[in-house]
This record gives sequence, C-alpha cells and structure tokens, in this order.
Amino acid sequence: QVQLVESGGGVVRPGRSLKLSCAASGLAFSNYAMHWVRQAPGEGLEWVSLISYDAINRHYADSVKGRFTISRDNSQNTLFLHMNSLRVEDTAVYYCAAQEYLGSFDYWGQGTLVTVSS
Amino acid sequence: DVVMTQSPLSLPVTLGQPASISCRSSQSLVYSDGNTYLNWFQQRPGQSPRRLIYKVSNRDSGVPDRFSGSGSGTDFTLKISRVEADDVGIYYCMQGTLGPFTFGPGTKLEIK
Repeated sequence: QVQLVESGGGVVRPGRSLKLSCAASGLAFSNYAMHWVRQAPGEGLEWVSLISYDAINRHYADSVKGRFTISRDNSQNTLFLHMNSLRVEDTAVYYCAAQEYLGSFDYWGQGTLVTVSS
Repeated sequence: DVVMTQSPLSLPVTLGQPASISCRSSQSLVYSDGNTYLNWFQQRPGQSPRRLIYKVSNRDSGVPDRFSGSGSGTDFTLKISRVEADDVGIYYCMQGTLGPFTFGPGTKLEIK
C-alpha cells in the first residue's frame, strides 16, 4: 500500500523559512517524479514544484520561484520543500504527489498545513 | 500556462440521478506521443484529492464504473451515471500535457 506522509507544517511569521518533508513507502520512490501541490483555505489546487526521479530536473511555479527549493533523498525515500521568504499568500495545505508515468499524479499524501501570519 | 475552466462550479444533484461536469482547456491537450493527459480528481470533504480518471477516459483501480470520462482536444466531460451520497465533494480536472500542470477551479457536487 502506497503511503505519502507529509510533515513540517506549522505557523510561521512572514519572511521566515520552513522545511516540509514527504516520506514515501510502498512504492519504488526512485522511479517516480515528485511534486508539491498546495491548496489555500477554501480554494482550489495549485501546482507548486516538480523534481524528476533522478533530481536532475526541477521546476517551480512562478509564484514560488526563487523562494522555494525542491529536493529529494532517494536513499531515504523522502521528498523535501525548502520554503524561504514566506508570504501570507503561501498559507495553504501542502500535498506531495507521486508521478510514475507522463501527465498525472498517481498518489497523494494527506497534506500538511502551513500558516504564514504575523 | 494552459487555463482550465469547468462548468458548472456548483452541482446540486438528487440521489440516483446522473451528473455531468464539463472541462475545457485553453489549448489542445494532445501530446506529441498522441496521448491526451487529461485527468479527473475527486476531493471529498476533509480529504486529499484522489484520481478517478486519467488520459481522458481510463478509470483508476477501485473507481466505480458509475464514473466515466470522455472528450478530446480541448473539451472533456466527467459523468456520474447515478449519484450516491459518497460522491459529495469537489471534482477537479487537471491537464498534464503541457508544463506546468494546471487544474480547473473545481465543481462542488452536493446532494439536493
């Protein structure tokens, strides 16, 4: 059974940093591209970032480019999102999602809530 | 970026009746390999999204056959043949053909 478990969310002041983790089990993690997707309270889904299975390719939404960094540790089956210079508008539930084949997310985690507030 | 639109945004349905959600993309979603990477996700209240349909019409394992997807190019539809109470939630279409992946605004299905 595939499990993606996010952690690291919390309340943080604007301008500060936070690091999210996503621990994967039940899948061949190193075969999957991984994504972060977020959902602001009461809002829809917004893709945030992608890292290829081998960590060579990384892409970011314009809204987080230059502030967020995605990384992974295939030896530990873990995905990360380093978030710097956080803004109030970054407040959201952050989901990690796994992509094995082109064009879709096969699995989602349960999400971790990040609240940016003064 | 590809803009995804959905209609309706709110969908009250009587139990046992059919439901239909339309999704349109601002560009063709046919990829260079001939596939169309249009997905449908269901998000039940308080839960994370779950994929129902991938590549327009392929149902995921465990998804009831009451759910079906169709369409091509820029116009797509998710149909539920007979709505059950368990179907309450928000339905999102998402394109995975052109980077970045983009979602529709969601359609909230509720029981009338």
